[in-house]
Amino acid sequence: GENVEQHPSTLSVQEGDSAVIKCTYSDSASNYFPWYKQELGKGPQLIIDIRSNVGEKKDQRIAVTLNKTAKHFSLHITETQPEDSAVYFCAGLSGGSYIPTFGRGTSLIVHP
Amino acid sequence: GAVVSQHPSRVICKSGTSVKIECRSLDFQATTMFWYRQFPKQSLMLMATSNEGSKATYEQGVEKDKFLINHASLTLSTLTVTSAHPEDSSFYICSARDRGETGELFFGEGSRLTVL
Repeated sequence: GENVEQHPSTLSVQEGDSAVIKCTYSDSASNYFPWYKQELGKGPQLIIDIRSNVGEKKDQRIAVTLNKTAKHFSLHITETQPEDSAVYFCAGLSGGSYIPTFGRGTSLIVHP
Repeated sequence: GAVVSQHPSRVICKSGTSVKIECRSLDFQATTMFWYRQFPKQSLMLMATSNEGSKATYEQGVEKDKFLINHASLTLSTLTVTSAHPEDSSFYICSARDRGETGELFFGEGSRLTVL
């Protein structure tokens, strides 16, 4: 099955800096890679996703890049704000079952 | 994005009682829903996959008689924690896959269960 590794587990940045979270996956058949933001006491919220037929996707301050050859994908947040502080999870989904495998999560702390 | 409603958000019960958690897809039909359990500062642990009109598929180590899952319609799945014990206290989250989309999952707000 799929195995998703996520790094770092904790990331602390100053407001305005950029933050990058990386995930690697093992199943070359995986074709959909979402990123979720989870605030304390709430369910995860989909913030951006990418499919295997593109290498990069951007939505305002958030971008995701995918390297299929190396089997890794990254979340990039620019101009970070305190409200970006949360736990971020990556996931990989293999075609067919669409049961996601989640990374262990990254706690992002943005200091004002 | 699509909306998944989960209720109740918090529940406190006595040991030995049963608790039902509902998960509804509000603006789409969900043939598949997933139930997760999350411990503090940990990732989501898949408990079971719920398919409309059929029995749920449980992950290894999850007791199907303890965690009853029903997916009677395309918009509603329920998780019942039977004879709850303090070790069942946790954050339970459901997610639903939009019938018309491949792969996109939307999560409920989660339910915090505390068993006294």
